[in-house]
Amino acid sequence: GAGVSQSPSNKVTEKGKDVELRCDPISGHTALYWYRQSLGQGLEFLIYFQGNSAPDKSGLPSDRFSAERTGGSVSTLTIQRTQQEDSAVYLCASSVRTSKHDEQYFGPGTRLTVT
Amino acid sequence: DAKTTQPNSMESNEEEPVHLPCNHSTISGTDYIHWYRQLPSQGPEYVIHGLTSNVNNRMASLAIAEDRKSSTLILHRATLRDAAVYYCILRRNYGGSQGNLIFGKGTKLSVKP
Repeated sequence: GAGVSQSPSNKVTEKGKDVELRCDPISGHTALYWYRQSLGQGLEFLIYFQGNSAPDKSGLPSDRFSAERTGGSVSTLTIQRTQQEDSAVYLCASSVRTSKHDEQYFGPGTRLTVT
Repeated sequence: DAKTTQPNSMESNEEEPVHLPCNHSTISGTDYIHWYRQLPSQGPEYVIHGLTSNVNNRMASLAIAEDRKSSTLILHRATLRDAAVYYCILRRNYGGSQGNLIFGKGTKLSVKP
Protein backbone atom coordinates (compact mmCIF):
# COMPACT_ATOMS: atom_id res chain seq x y z
CA GLY A 1 0.00 0.00 0.00
CA ALA A 2 0.91 3.66 -0.08
CA GLY A 3 3.54 4.81 2.34
CA VAL A 4 4.03 8.15 4.04
CA SER A 5 4.27 10.95 1.51
CA GLN A 6 5.66 14.43 1.95
CA SER A 7 5.56 17.54 -0.14
CA PRO A 8 7.36 19.36 -1.49
CA SER A 9 10.41 17.17 -1.84
CA ASN A 10 12.61 20.25 -2.02
CA LYS A 11 11.98 23.81 -0.93
CA VAL A 12 14.26 26.79 -1.30
CA THR A 13 13.18 29.93 0.49
CA GLU A 14 14.60 33.29 1.41
CA LYS A 15 15.46 34.11 4.99
CA GLY A 16 12.48 35.68 6.72
CA LYS A 17 9.81 33.97 4.62
CA ASP A 18 7.28 31.48 6.00
CA VAL A 19 7.14 27.90 4.72
CA GLU A 20 4.64 25.07 5.00
CA LEU A 21 5.62 21.43 4.75
CA ARG A 22 3.00 18.74 4.26
CA CYS A 23 2.80 15.14 5.43
CA ASP A 24 0.29 12.50 4.36
CA PRO A 25 0.54 9.58 6.79
CA ILE A 26 -0.41 6.00 6.09
CA SER A 27 -4.18 5.60 6.20
CA GLY A 28 -5.37 4.40 9.57
CA HIS A 29 -2.24 5.39 11.46
CA THR A 30 -3.19 7.34 14.55
CA ALA A 31 0.27 8.62 15.48
CA LEU A 32 2.23 11.15 13.44
CA TYR A 33 5.70 12.51 14.12
CA TRP A 34 7.88 15.26 12.71
CA TYR A 35 11.67 15.09 12.91
CA ARG A 36 14.42 17.09 11.28
CA GLN A 37 17.92 16.15 10.23
CA SER A 38 20.51 18.84 9.72
CA LEU A 39 23.49 18.17 7.46
CA GLY A 40 25.67 15.47 8.99
CA GLN A 41 23.56 15.32 12.15
CA GLY A 42 21.25 12.77 13.65
CA LEU A 43 17.49 13.00 13.67
CA GLU A 44 15.93 15.47 16.06
CA PHE A 45 12.36 15.05 17.28
CA LEU A 46 10.08 18.05 16.76
CA ILE A 47 6.44 17.23 17.49
CA TYR A 48 4.14 14.23 17.91
CA PHE A 49 0.40 13.79 17.40
CA GLN A 50 -1.54 10.84 18.81
CA GLY A 51 -5.20 10.58 17.91
CA ASN A 52 -7.25 13.39 19.42
CA SER A 53 -4.82 14.02 22.27
CA ALA A 54 -2.98 17.29 22.63
CA PRO A 55 0.24 17.14 20.61
CA ASP A 56 3.61 16.72 22.29
CA LYS A 57 5.43 19.87 21.22
CA SER A 58 8.44 19.38 23.45
CA GLY A 59 10.89 19.14 20.55
CA LEU A 60 9.99 22.34 18.73
CA PRO A 61 13.11 24.55 18.76
CA SER A 62 11.33 27.90 18.89
CA ASP A 63 7.93 29.52 18.67
CA ARG A 64 8.51 30.08 14.97
CA PHE A 65 7.70 26.39 14.51
CA SER A 66 4.17 25.07 14.67
CA ALA A 67 2.26 22.09 13.33
CA GLU A 68 -1.30 20.98 12.98
CA ARG A 69 -3.01 17.80 12.03
CA THR A 70 -6.40 18.13 10.44
CA GLY A 71 -9.03 15.43 10.71
CA GLY A 72 -6.55 13.07 12.27
CA SER A 73 -4.79 12.62 8.95
CA VAL A 74 -2.76 15.19 7.00
CA SER A 75 -0.28 17.30 8.95
CA THR A 76 1.34 20.62 8.11
CA LEU A 77 4.54 21.89 9.70
CA THR A 78 4.87 25.65 9.47
CA ILE A 79 8.07 27.58 9.99
CA GLN A 80 7.63 31.34 10.25
CA ARG A 81 10.34 33.89 9.52
CA THR A 82 12.78 31.20 8.40
CA GLN A 83 16.42 31.43 9.40
CA GLN A 84 19.45 29.82 7.78
CA GLU A 85 19.81 27.41 10.69
CA ASP A 86 16.38 26.01 9.76
CA SER A 87 17.95 24.44 6.67
CA ALA A 88 17.55 20.68 7.09
CA VAL A 89 15.64 17.66 5.88
CA TYR A 90 12.27 17.52 7.59
CA LEU A 91 10.99 13.98 8.03
CA CYS A 92 7.51 12.83 8.86
CA ALA A 93 6.64 9.40 10.25
CA SER A 94 3.43 7.65 11.18
CA SER A 95 2.58 4.59 13.19
CA VAL A 96 -0.25 2.47 14.49
CA ARG A 97 -0.09 2.70 18.24
CA THR A 98 0.06 -0.64 19.97
CA SER A 99 0.79 -1.46 23.54
CA LYS A 100 4.25 -2.85 22.99
CA HIS A 101 5.47 -2.14 19.51
CA ASP A 102 5.31 1.05 17.55
CA GLU A 103 7.05 0.69 14.21
CA GLN A 104 7.38 4.10 12.65
CA TYR A 105 7.14 4.47 8.89
CA PHE A 106 9.06 7.43 7.54
CA GLY A 107 8.42 9.53 4.50
CA PRO A 108 11.16 10.59 2.08
CA GLY A 109 11.49 14.00 3.69
CA THR A 110 11.41 17.60 2.54
CA ARG A 111 14.79 19.23 2.03
CA LEU A 112 14.50 22.85 3.12
CA THR A 113 17.17 25.33 2.12
CA VAL A 114 17.02 28.85 3.54
CA THR A 115 19.14 31.33 1.59
CA ASP B 1 14.77 6.65 27.30
CA ALA B 2 18.14 5.12 28.21
CA LYS B 3 21.30 5.88 26.22
CA THR B 4 22.90 3.59 23.67
CA THR B 5 26.51 3.46 22.44
CA GLN B 6 27.47 2.31 18.95
CA PRO B 7 30.69 2.42 16.93
CA ASN B 8 30.78 5.35 14.54
CA SER B 9 31.52 3.22 11.50
CA MET B 10 32.07 -0.33 10.33
CA GLU B 11 33.12 -1.96 7.09
CA SER B 12 32.03 -5.23 5.61
CA ASN B 13 32.60 -7.22 2.47
CA GLU B 14 29.69 -8.09 0.26
CA GLU B 15 28.16 -11.53 0.86
CA GLU B 16 29.71 -11.76 4.35
CA PRO B 17 27.89 -11.55 7.70
CA VAL B 18 27.94 -8.28 9.62
CA HIS B 19 27.60 -7.91 13.36
CA LEU B 20 26.66 -4.41 14.52
CA PRO B 21 27.08 -3.97 18.28
CA CYS B 22 25.13 -1.74 20.64
CA ASN B 23 25.78 -1.14 24.32
CA HIS B 24 22.92 -0.07 26.59
CA SER B 25 24.14 -0.63 30.11
CA THR B 26 21.41 1.52 31.70
CA ILE B 27 18.54 -0.35 30.04
CA SER B 28 15.49 -0.83 32.23
CA GLY B 29 13.27 -3.89 32.41
CA THR B 30 10.56 -2.32 30.28
CA ASP B 31 12.83 -1.03 27.51
CA TYR B 32 12.54 -2.63 24.10
CA ILE B 33 15.57 -2.64 21.80
CA HIS B 34 14.72 -1.27 18.36
CA TRP B 35 16.92 -1.00 15.28
CA TYR B 36 16.30 1.34 12.39
CA ARG B 37 18.48 2.06 9.40
CA GLN B 38 18.76 5.02 7.08
CA LEU B 39 19.88 4.49 3.53
CA PRO B 40 21.47 7.45 1.74
CA SER B 41 18.97 10.18 0.90
CA GLN B 42 16.06 8.29 2.44
CA GLY B 43 14.07 8.38 5.65
CA PRO B 44 14.84 5.78 8.32
CA GLU B 45 13.24 2.35 8.08
CA TYR B 46 12.44 -0.14 10.80
CA VAL B 47 14.67 -3.21 10.90
CA ILE B 48 13.86 -5.26 13.98
CA HIS B 49 13.08 -5.06 17.67
CA GLY B 50 13.20 -7.30 20.74
CA LEU B 51 12.90 -7.42 24.51
CA THR B 52 14.78 -10.42 25.91
CA SER B 53 14.85 -13.25 23.41
CA ASN B 54 16.77 -13.28 20.16
CA VAL B 55 14.63 -12.31 17.18
CA ASN B 56 14.77 -13.10 13.48
CA ASN B 57 12.97 -11.53 10.56
CA ARG B 58 13.46 -11.30 6.84
CA MET B 59 15.89 -8.42 7.16
CA ALA B 60 18.10 -9.36 10.08
CA SER B 61 18.58 -11.09 13.40
CA LEU B 62 18.83 -9.47 16.80
CA ALA B 63 20.94 -11.13 19.47
CA ILE B 64 20.33 -9.81 22.98
CA ALA B 65 22.76 -10.46 25.81
CA GLU B 66 21.43 -12.34 28.80
CA ASP B 67 21.84 -9.28 31.06
CA ARG B 68 20.33 -7.08 28.27
CA LYS B 69 23.15 -4.57 28.59
CA SER B 70 24.15 -5.09 24.99
CA SER B 71 22.74 -6.37 21.74
CA THR B 72 23.98 -7.17 18.23
CA LEU B 73 22.23 -6.67 14.93
CA ILE B 74 23.23 -9.40 12.51
CA LEU B 75 22.98 -9.09 8.76
CA HIS B 76 23.58 -12.60 7.53
CA ARG B 77 24.87 -11.73 4.06
CA ALA B 78 25.64 -8.09 3.48
CA THR B 79 24.73 -6.63 0.12
CA LEU B 80 25.67 -3.27 -1.33
CA ARG B 81 22.11 -2.15 -0.59
CA ASP B 82 22.73 -2.66 3.13
CA ALA B 83 25.13 0.28 3.22
CA ALA B 84 23.39 2.66 5.61
CA VAL B 85 23.49 4.24 9.05
CA TYR B 86 22.15 1.79 11.61
CA TYR B 87 20.52 3.15 14.76
CA CYS B 88 20.04 1.21 17.99
CA ILE B 89 17.23 2.79 20.03
CA LEU B 90 15.67 1.88 23.37
CA ARG B 91 11.90 2.31 23.56
CA ARG B 92 10.02 2.15 26.80
CA ASN B 93 6.85 0.04 26.65
CA TYR B 94 4.15 2.29 25.24
CA GLY B 95 2.30 2.92 28.45
CA GLY B 96 3.55 6.21 29.87
CA SER B 97 6.32 6.66 27.33
CA GLN B 98 6.93 9.42 24.85
CA GLY B 99 5.99 8.48 21.31
CA ASN B 100 9.05 9.77 19.52
CA LEU B 101 12.22 7.87 18.73
CA ILE B 102 15.45 9.25 20.17
CA PHE B 103 18.16 8.78 17.56
CA GLY B 104 21.85 8.76 18.42
CA LYS B 105 24.58 9.03 15.80
CA GLY B 106 24.33 5.37 14.79
CA THR B 107 26.87 3.20 12.98
CA LYS B 108 27.66 3.96 9.37
CA LEU B 109 28.05 0.64 7.61
CA SER B 110 30.07 0.50 4.40
CA VAL B 111 29.88 -2.59 2.22
CA LYS B 112 32.71 -3.33 -0.18
CA PRO B 113 32.09 -5.34 -3.35
